[in-house]
Amino acid sequence: QKEVEQDPGPLSVPEGAIVSLNCTYSNSAFQYFMWYRQYSRKGPELLMYTYSSGNKEDGRFTAQVDKSSKYISLFIRDSQPSDSATYLCAMSVGYGGSQGNLIFGKGTKLSVKP
Amino acid sequence: EAGVTQSPTHLIKTRGQQATLRCSPISGHTSVYWYQQALGLGLQFLLWYDEGEERNRGNFPPRFSGRQFPNYSSELNVNALELEDSALYLCASSLNNLREQYFGPGTRLTVT
Repeated sequence: QKEVEQDPGPLSVPEGAIVSLNCTYSNSAFQYFMWYRQYSRKGPELLMYTYSSGNKEDGRFTAQVDKSSKYISLFIRDSQPSDSATYLCAMSVGYGGSQGNLIFGKGTKLSVKP
Repeated sequence: EAGVTQSPTHLIKTRGQQATLRCSPISGHTSVYWYQQALGLGLQFLLWYDEGEERNRGNFPPRFSGRQFPNYSSELNVNALELEDSALYLCASSLNNLREQYFGPGTRLTVT
């Protein structure tokens, strides 16, 4: 079983739709959870990060973490064509004395059609 | 504030050669991370440098190495290049905090 599983898609939605992106993980030691957006041939851009379980909202984006189910989600409201990109989930073990690296899902390719 | 910068943008090498990739972190960031993004494999952690020291490395052979300079910039060296080393190499930096890593645009390495 891979440490982080993410459906690669592609996911195609009409403009204005609510998008739900998800990842599951197996390592219960993960405490920090992030979502990155990557446009074609560009570096990943940090969208959201959350610590432990709960919700976090930033504009049209909401990140949810359910540690009991080892499941994280990113919701995009009122999706726009400019949201078309690959979305990567990433997670890490606690800060301090740990490995330092992020473990990434393989990414979900999203296309928002006008 | 300038973001993470990487050079060169593209690099073409032949099998067996050596490649050197460079990264400048965001000002004030002391940690630099290197990742490989190969087609179909996702981002794989390569190396982590903090305060000039290698803190951790991923599951890559020793021909992948690097260093961090006193100004916190970093370089990644790949010796004895193989065809499967062709990938986008991404550098990230963080402010002595592994949670928020900010990525550069990457260097696309092609090995022929």
